[in-house]
Amino acid sequence: ELKVEQNPLFLSMQEGKNYTIYCNYSTTSDRLYWYRQDPGKSLESLFVLLSNGAVKQEGRLMASLDTKARLSTLHITAAVHDLSATYFCAVDPSNDYKLSFGAGTTVTVRA
Amino acid sequence: GAVVSQHPSRVICKSGTSVKIECRSLDFQATTMFWYRQFPKQSLMLMATSNEGSKATYEQGVEKDKFLINHASLTLSTLTVTSAHPEDSSFYICSAARGRNSPLHFGNGTRLTVT
Repeated sequence: ELKVEQNPLFLSMQEGKNYTIYCNYSTTSDRLYWYRQDPGKSLESLFVLLSNGAVKQEGRLMASLDTKARLSTLHITAAVHDLSATYFCAVDPSNDYKLSFGAGTTVTVRA
Repeated sequence: GAVVSQHPSRVICKSGTSVKIECRSLDFQATTMFWYRQFPKQSLMLMATSNEGSKATYEQGVEKDKFLINHASLTLSTLTVTSAHPEDSSFYICSAARGRNSPLHFGNGTRLTVT
């Protein structure tokens, strides 16, 4: 059974500091997705990582994928309040869009 | 703008009734759409894959007779929750992708409350 583990599950960030969310998965997958979810809302796509070594950046967020280690990281630089949300990673081991999600990391950014 | 549209966004129904949720791809054709369910404070779980012109495929543990899926056109999939019970109360989200290496876009979700 495929397992997708995110940690931490809860992250209290101080504005201006840097943090990393980790996503480990238990089976081979060349595709990994990161999504953001605001309370009561659906998912917003952040990154699609399609190969080993892929690195993508958008604003204060940067995601990377190491398929050999079965690890993806989401790095947050100089956290701001607007980044408060729940972040999910999801893997697609069969490349068929049947995603398996991690439990989510709930991020709260405080002043 | 939205790529995948879902309707309704909220629905409250009485136990024993059926509820239909629509999912539309707005500016692309989707031969395959996906239905997920999210319970409060939990992650998303894939329920089923909706296939245009053929039967849906359901994940293990999902009752196909309870969650009826119809994908009658290349831009529309519907999920009908039949004989709803309070334990079916959840956030249902559909998704579709434009193409092979595109991100999977999610609809705005439907919050179902069964009383």
